Amino acid sequence: EVQLVESGGGLVQPGGSLRLSCAASGFTFSIYWMSWVRQAPGKGLEWVANIKQDGSEQYYVDSVKGRFNISRHNAKNSLYLQMNSLRAEDTAVYYCARVHGGKFDSWGQGILVTVSS
Amino acid sequence: QSALTQPASVSGSPGQSITISCTGTSSDVGGYNYVSWYQQHPGKAPKLMIYDVGNRPSGVPDRFSGSKSANTASLTISGLQAEDEADYYCSSYASSSTYVFGTGTRVTVL
Repeated sequence: EVQLVESGGGLVQPGGSLRLSCAASGFTFSIYWMSWVRQAPGKGLEWVANIKQDGSEQYYVDSVKGRFNISRHNAKNSLYLQMNSLRAEDTAVYYCARVHGGKFDSWGQGILVTVSS
Repeated sequence: QSALTQPASVSGSPGQSITISCTGTSSDVGGYNYVSWYQQHPGKAPKLMIYDVGNRPSGVPDRFSGSKSANTASLTISGLQAEDEADYYCSSYASSSTYVFGTGTRVTVL
């Protein structure tokens, strides 16, 4: 069974940093693109970032470029999102998702990040 | 990277059919057959319901179907059931390995 479990969320002040982790199990992590998707309170889903199987390519939504960094450690079956210069508008539930052929076919349960003073 | 446009809400009675539209541009919905649909119940993670415009993952009832015409994709739920009440989001590949989601539609079963 595919499992994705996010961790590392919490309350952070504006301008601060936070690192999210996603532990993957139940599938061969190293052969899939992976993504982060977020959902602000009461709002819709927003794709945040993608990373290629070997970590050699990363892509971001414009609003986080230069502030967020997606990475992975295939030997640890783990996905990460380093978030810097956080803003109030980054407050959201962040989901880790597996990408397969243009679709997000498995999702974690999500982790809440709150940016507030 | 503008969100795809969906109606805010759609409602129907049990047993009826409803259709949710998802309008984008030639750079996303119209340019690729990588349109997918997700169901999200309150407080839960999204669940894949339709992929590649009109394909259903294993376990998704055949009451759910998808289609696309030009820059607009559609999700149809036939024989609406109480458990179908949820938020629905479309998503499309949008070139250069980026993706875009729709604004979301709240489905209410009357």
